[in-house]
Amino acid sequence: EIVLTQSPATLSLSPGERATLSCRASQSVSSYLAWYQQKPGQAPRLLIYDASNRATGIPARFSGSGSGTDFTLTISSLEPEDFAVYYCQQRSNWPPKYTFGQGTKLEIK
Amino acid sequence: QVQLQESGPGLVKPSETLSLTCTVSDDSISSYYWSWIRQPPGKGLEWIGYIYYSGSTNYNPSLKSRVTISIDTSKNQFSLKLSSVTAADTAVYYCARHLRPTVPSWYFDLWGRGALVTVSS
Repeated sequence: EIVLTQSPATLSLSPGERATLSCRASQSVSSYLAWYQQKPGQAPRLLIYDASNRATGIPARFSGSGSGTDFTLTISSLEPEDFAVYYCQQRSNWPPKYTFGQGTKLEIK
Repeated sequence: QVQLQESGPGLVKPSETLSLTCTVSDDSISSYYWSWIRQPPGKGLEWIGYIYYSGSTNYNPSLKSRVTISIDTSKNQFSLKLSSVTAADTAVYYCARHLRPTVPSWYFDLWGRGALVTVSS
């Protein structure tokens, strides 16, 4: 089973700063990785899929990179509404199983 | 804009069966794969299983013995049943759409608001 490990667990930054979040897979997932944003009391929102493709309606300040086992979500200049929990997610081929990382909480410094 | 809405009892007794329904707001239920995902309070996300309009399903191996997902395309609904529940099954349960039509896409692009189900006597 592929395990996704996110770091850091908590990231404290100020609006306007750049955020870099990491997700590491226990084995290669090629480019089949997504990032989600979740705010308190809300469902997750798809931000990035296939490691680097922005989902519909996602601002350009969000970008994803990486392949194989190491992936990064970058928020170029934090807006107040970006402070939330971020999850990475992948699917194993067989048996088909979808797994999420444990999350990174992005909090206001 | 397609919307998903979960419904069902918010309280279930231990050892009983949890039942939830997700209503899709349009006829796209026959075009996509649909999943259930849960999140215990304060914790991360766990995929439960998916279904296609044909009735084809796939479940998380860790829950497979207790899970049944079904679909009723005439009502634009799909449902989750989780048997023999314990307190560990207390969670917010989300229904979600897979990103691309006709294939069990790797990602989830549309989610319901979630339904909190508490397992307690």
